[in-house]
Amino acid sequence: DAGVIQSPRHEVTEMGQEVTLRCKPISGHNSLFWYRQTMMRGLELLIYFNNNVPIDDSGMPEDRFSAKMPNASFSTLKIQPSEPRDSAVYFCATAGQGGVETQYFGPGTRLLVL
Amino acid sequence: GNSVTQMEGPVTLSEEAFLTINCTYTATGYPSLFWYVQYPGEGLQLLLKATKADDKGSNKGFEATYRKETTSFHLEKGSVQVSDSAVYFCALRKANTGNQFYFGTGTSLTVIP
Repeated sequence: DAGVIQSPRHEVTEMGQEVTLRCKPISGHNSLFWYRQTMMRGLELLIYFNNNVPIDDSGMPEDRFSAKMPNASFSTLKIQPSEPRDSAVYFCATAGQGGVETQYFGPGTRLLVL
Repeated sequence: GNSVTQMEGPVTLSEEAFLTINCTYTATGYPSLFWYVQYPGEGLQLLLKATKADDKGSNKGFEATYRKETTSFHLEKGSVQVSDSAVYFCALRKANTGNQFYFGTGTSLTVIP
């Protein structure tokens, strides 16, 4: 299995630009999570999908952030417009169902907003 | 609510020293408990887990025992290596919350030769 796939791995953009981060979950996993990691705030859960439906988006910082999961094999996290304080590493993680399931993390997207 | 508290770092140890990273949790019911490890530049990886009281999770020489009476899941290793240098996260998954996890803030470990 290829594991959780995220793209791009690195993104450098200018303030005000739109940024789209992508995630392909492990096949068969029906829970998907977006996290943000910074030195100041640590690891923060942004949003959590189950069976493609957003279950908890209370961690989404503001309206500039949006996430979609149009099907079981793809999710996007979009920031529009981006700001320097959005600079962070964004992780996608997925988990299956049945019993106690482990979350599997992707390698992350390192975002720098200038 | 549900939360995880782990000892603040950074922790610096000499090779072959004994490691303990403390983790306590708050949850109703019977959560499952996890330790994840993050190596520099990488995502988090599962290190070990325990699903019920008195269970011991172990992997790569690391161990942690699920202590319900003290609501703790401390990570231990008898002899650390330079390659263990990483950030360690304690996490819980409460039953009946789907797959949502609650992570601690992470503890950075540096092992020096």
